Amino acid sequence: QVQLVQSGAEVKKPGASVKVSCKASGYTFTSYGISWVRQAPGQGLEWMGWISAYNGNTNYAQKLQGRVTMTTDTSTSTAYMELRSLRSDDTAVYYCARGPATTPTSWFDPWGQGTLVTVSS
Amino acid sequence: EIVLTQSPGTLSLSPGERATLSCRASQSVSSSYLAWYQQKPGQAPRLLIYGASSRATGIPDRFSGSGSGTDFTLTISRLEPEDFAVYYCQQYGSSPETFGQGTKVEIK
Repeated sequence: QVQLVQSGAEVKKPGASVKVSCKASGYTFTSYGISWVRQAPGQGLEWMGWISAYNGNTNYAQKLQGRVTMTTDTSTSTAYMELRSLRSDDTAVYYCARGPATTPTSWFDPWGQGTLVTVSS
Repeated sequence: EIVLTQSPGTLSLSPGERATLSCRASQSVSSSYLAWYQQKPGQAPRLLIYGASSRATGIPDRFSGSGSGTDFTLTISRLEPEDFAVYYCQQYGSSPETFGQGTKVEIK
């Protein structure tokens, strides 16, 4: 079955970086894209950006431009999201989700299980 | 960016009752590019509806979506115990795609 499995929880200090992985299985990785969505504690969902696993094209949310980088490793069917210069308000559960290969705008299905990133001094 | 406002914030209902959830957009959502998700505590969101009214694979037919332009509705015809959760709408007609703040459906 189609599945996205994310890396484990992280605790980081303010100013540090975090890199979350998302390993895909059950489908042809390069036929789709991966979006990243985060959810602060008790809050709603925020789209962070998208990467095409087909050609590597990216589209990032404006508020995160310059701090976020999304990449893929097609040899292992894994997507990565790196967020730099972490602040306390980056504390959230980070989700990867499958989307289309050619456009950043779509519904998401399925989602990874989520990775809790805690930013604290 | 398009702002989505969901109402009510919380819906208190009993199993077997009908649930009607609203999602209103600050501007027209092109091509009815609107999705609905269900999220239970400690779990990732699950896609229910896309294209405003198309059910995702494996979603029971008690879930239905409708609407166009700026007003969209998710209806759960008869609530089952497993339906008590938070529901989010998402527009993907324009970038950045945005989500509503959620409606919690709780047991009365």
